[in-house]
Amino acid sequence: GENVEQHPSTLSVQEGDSAVIKCTYSDSASNYFPWYKQELGKGPQLIIDIRSNVGEKKDQRIAVTLNKTAKHFSLHITETQPEDSAVYFCAASPTDSWGKLQFGAGTQVVVTP
Amino acid sequence: EAGVTQFPSHSVIEKGQTVTLRCDPISGHDNLYWYRRVMGKEIKFLLHFVKESKQDESGMPNNRFLAERTGGTYSTLKVQPAELEDSGVYFCASSRAGESTDTQYFGPGTRLTVL
Repeated sequence: GENVEQHPSTLSVQEGDSAVIKCTYSDSASNYFPWYKQELGKGPQLIIDIRSNVGEKKDQRIAVTLNKTAKHFSLHITETQPEDSAVYFCAASPTDSWGKLQFGAGTQVVVTP
Repeated sequence: EAGVTQFPSHSVIEKGQTVTLRCDPISGHDNLYWYRRVMGKEIKFLLHFVKESKQDESGMPNNRFLAERTGGTYSTLKVQPAELEDSGVYFCASSRAGESTDTQYFGPGTRLTVL
């Protein structure tokens, strides 16, 4: 089955700096890679996703890159703000699993003013 | 549009007791998923309903866990009898019918503590 590894487990950045979270996956059949943000007391919320036919996707200060050959994908947050502080999860979904998401262990991001 | 709701938000029970968690998906969403996060580890898939049918229950830990979705609307997840290792946060998510890559919307979770 699919296995997703996520690094780092914690990330502390100064406000205005960039944050990068990296994930690797094992199943080459995976074709969908969402990123979720979980704030305290809330459930995970989708912030961006990428499909295997695309190498990069950007939405304002957030971007995701995918390297299918190396089986890794990354989340980039630029110009970080205190409200970016949260736990971020990457996930992968193989084509034969129909919606079943395999998550990474999460990254606690702390943005200090 | 109301989001995914879960009840209760917290539950503290003793080992051997029974607990039932409830999830109300977004109205009209045929797909309903249960996930669990234990002790700061990854969020793990438990099972997937399409309407009232179990599409995939490969993540259910053992037969102490029973999930139902009568009528294809809300779902319940019963743990009987609860064990210490069942402690964690149980999330429910839903997505509309269609593509397998449709966005899954998560509820706030139920934090279960088994003493």
